[in-house]
Amino acid sequence: GAGVSQSPRYKVAKRGQDVALRCDPISGHVSLFWYQQALGQGPEFLTYFQNEAQLDKSGLPSDRFFAERPEGSVSTLKIQRTQQEDSAVYLCASSFDRDSYNSPLHFGNGTRLTVT
Amino acid sequence: DAKTTQPNSMESNEEEPVHLPCNHSTISGTDYIHWYRQLPSQGPEYVIHGLTSNVNNRMASLAIAEDRKSSTLILHRATLRDAAVYYCILRDVGGTSYGKLTFGQGTILTVHP
Repeated sequence: GAGVSQSPRYKVAKRGQDVALRCDPISGHVSLFWYQQALGQGPEFLTYFQNEAQLDKSGLPSDRFFAERPEGSVSTLKIQRTQQEDSAVYLCASSFDRDSYNSPLHFGNGTRLTVT
Repeated sequence: DAKTTQPNSMESNEEEPVHLPCNHSTISGTDYIHWYRQLPSQGPEYVIHGLTSNVNNRMASLAIAEDRKSSTLILHRATLRDAAVYYCILRDVGGTSYGKLTFGQGTILTVHP
């Protein structure tokens, strides 16, 4: 079946612009995670949704970052007034169960954001 | 979160076995050992996980030390497609961790033809 889909695949933004990154998780998956991956580094956790509820946003680096999942399926990560340090690959992952050790995360291929 | 230690890089030849080590001396009783890998320009991909016993699946085997302070991911016959960054992660499914994964630097595996 279809995996996790992210769009756009690449995004170039001028410093100060707002961007919106979309994630379509696997249908029926309860949990949804956003990660940020800088070049040469491992992914870093940003935020977690269980259905439409955002239960953990401890990894969001500033109040310029905002995520939503209003109907418990598609999620959008919004970055306001982008800065050069926001340049990274943004990864979305979903899993079937909540809190389940037997439910692996399925990752999309990410959106590469470049802020010029 | 409990931390893991992995070598920065390893090399292998095609069709030979590969043993990727991971140390996790501060592992707690509720931590599961997960392995993910990330191929170039792709998102991470689940490989295998375990708690105490050794595990096998179609991709790999996971050998867990009796004291759980270390583990080894085994690729039985490496192929060029196995060249990737391999992450060993302790996944705590208790409390308010919500099962999130905390990635380290991982091991870059190079496979030579």
